[in-house]
Amino acid sequence: GEDVEQSLFLSVREGDSSVINCTYTDSSSTYLYWYKQEPGAGLQLLTYIFSNMDMKQDQRLTVLLNKKDKHLSLRIADTQTGDSAIYFCAESPSNNAGNMLTFGGGTRLMVKP
Amino acid sequence: AAGVIQSPRHLIKEKRETATLKCYPIPRHDTVYWYQQGPGQDPQFLISFYEKMQSDKGSIPDRFSAQQFSDYHSELNMSSLELGDSALYFCASSLSPGTGGVLAGNTIYFGEGSWLTVV
Repeated sequence: GEDVEQSLFLSVREGDSSVINCTYTDSSSTYLYWYKQEPGAGLQLLTYIFSNMDMKQDQRLTVLLNKKDKHLSLRIADTQTGDSAIYFCAESPSNNAGNMLTFGGGTRLMVKP
Repeated sequence: AAGVIQSPRHLIKEKRETATLKCYPIPRHDTVYWYQQGPGQDPQFLISFYEKMQSDKGSIPDRFSAQQFSDYHSELNMSSLELGDSALYFCASSLSPGTGGVLAGNTIYFGEGSWLTVV
């Protein structure tokens, strides 16, 4: 079955870059996502990448996908204290009826001033 | 822009009671998903609906049922509640890839969640 794994915790200083890593096992994954969850809040879609892409950049966010190694990363440039949250990666094989997501355990990012 | 709306935001129930959560997807989205997130855990997929038909089923207990209505809103019904059902329940919506094409079908948006506490 699908398995998505992430490191539990990351601590960086404000202004540094953060890199959050994720590995997955399902080779049929078509879409890979990053969601952000602040305490007591919902899941905010940050970005996604299609499996035929290697990289996607969106302002301070850069997603890198190594499909051979089934490794996904999210780089946050110039990390701010407001970026402190739990970051979930998720994968979906996709089908015509919709995208069922399998989430990783989440990485708690702590940004120190 | 309109987002996924869930109600109620908070709900407290006693063991063995029933609860109903409602979800209103983003306009024009035809697919709805339900996820359960226990304390300190990642969201777990429960069930999804596409065009009012169940499309995928995950780890949804037999005590739970859900449906999608003609206006695409969905309801999650939970009966014989147990303490372990206390969790944050998320609804999400999207266009299905078959409807919106590949690029449209991969944007899945979540609601703010409904907190269920069973006491």
